[in-house]
Amino acid sequence: AQSVAQPEDQVNVAEGNPLTVKCTYSVSGNPYLFWYVQYPNRGLQFLLKYITGDNLVKGSYGFEAEFNKSQTSFHLKKPSALVSDSALYFCAVRDIGSIYGGATNKLIFGTGTLLAVQP
Amino acid sequence: ETGVTQTPRHLVMGMTNKKSLKCEQHLGHNAMYWYKQSAKKPLELMFVYNFKEQTENNSVPSRFSPECPNSSHLFLHLHTLQPEDSALYLCASSLRISGGADYEQYFGPGTRLTVT
Repeated sequence: AQSVAQPEDQVNVAEGNPLTVKCTYSVSGNPYLFWYVQYPNRGLQFLLKYITGDNLVKGSYGFEAEFNKSQTSFHLKKPSALVSDSALYFCAVRDIGSIYGGATNKLIFGTGTLLAVQP
Repeated sequence: ETGVTQTPRHLVMGMTNKKSLKCEQHLGHNAMYWYKQSAKKPLELMFVYNFKEQTENNSVPSRFSPECPNSSHLFLHLHTLQPEDSALYLCASSLRISGGADYEQYFGPGTRLTVT
């Protein structure tokens, strides 16, 4: 079964410091990976995705993520954190088998990591 | 968030009530989804509609009944809910094309449902 894990419930970082939010995955075949952000009382917003190609993916708001096949990881990073980055971050993987079977577009989400950036 | 809208944003209902949640997408997408988000639990996929046809029912109780009259609108009809159904219900949409091309899902702001 395909799954994604976010090992940290919360990450604390000082404003201006680099941040990393961790994600590891377990899939059969090539993974399609996503990061979403959720601000309080809002829906999820798409940040970036990895489908194929360059292992370093750049996304919205200065975020980037590095796909590491050997470590089955897709960590979210930002060189300099802002207080406004404080939010809940979700990693997700697409159910590849469903895509090829033509049945569904299922996304499997992690449990989320709360990022707190202190001024 | 103007791409996917959800109404109402907040709903309080009794266990014997019947209510409906509405979702509308203005993005020209052809796939729509209902998710349930509860505190301290992973996001749960409930239903998937592709080209107005339901293609996924993730073992959702029958007290939740989805309806997709066209590619732009999605409803979730609720009846005889339980207190444990209190959660944030999120609607999403995506563009799906043949050949397995992959596009991200866009989410609405959600409906905060409280069952009393």
